[in-house]
Amino acid sequence: EAGVVQSPRYKIIEKKQPVAFWCNPISGHNTLYWYRQNLGQGPELLIRYENEEAVDDSQLPKDRFSAERLKGVDSTLKIQPAELGDSAVYLCASRQGWDTQYFGPGTRLTVL
Amino acid sequence: KQEVTQIPAALSVPEGENLVLNCSFTDSAIYNLQWFRQDPGKGLTSLLLIQSSQREQTSGRLNASLDKSSGRSTLYIAASQPGDSATYLCAVNDYGGATNKLIFGTGTLLAVQP
Repeated sequence: EAGVVQSPRYKIIEKKQPVAFWCNPISGHNTLYWYRQNLGQGPELLIRYENEEAVDDSQLPKDRFSAERLKGVDSTLKIQPAELGDSAVYLCASRQGWDTQYFGPGTRLTVL
Repeated sequence: KQEVTQIPAALSVPEGENLVLNCSFTDSAIYNLQWFRQDPGKGLTSLLLIQSSQREQTSGRLNASLDKSSGRSTLYIAASQPGDSATYLCAVNDYGGATNKLIFGTGTLLAVQP
């Protein structure tokens, strides 16, 4: 069974440019998470979806970040415009029921 | 606000040694605690999950303990191998289960020397 798929794996952009990350969760997983992991730190939750509904986005910087999960499957996380401090690894995870979260390989973003 | 701390930040041991990684959390009202492994450039892999009512979990050479009242967990790795080299992250799930919101520590970078 395929795990959580993320693309791209790496992205380098200049500040003020937009960027988007894509996540395809494990089939049948109704809960999807986006995390940001800064260098030398643990992941921090940005947003959580239950099916297509965002149920916890309290830590999402809404002035520049947006996310969507149309049809309750794939999800896209967007940053516009990107800032230098947004350089990090963006991780997607999914879960079914009370099971553990399964993480994707992440997208490493570098903002120049 | 829940805070999770991991000590040490980095650890280097010779192959075959037994070792202990430590995790502490400030709010004992947790639903469960998980230990993850993260290899460079890769996502996180769940190693062990301990429910709040449990004291320990074992998987192969790994044993994780939980003392919720004192806000501590340890991950014991027996007979370490070079393939165990990775970053180990501890995460607590905030009380209420339904949110399943993981709060992570900063991790311990483990290097096992052959």
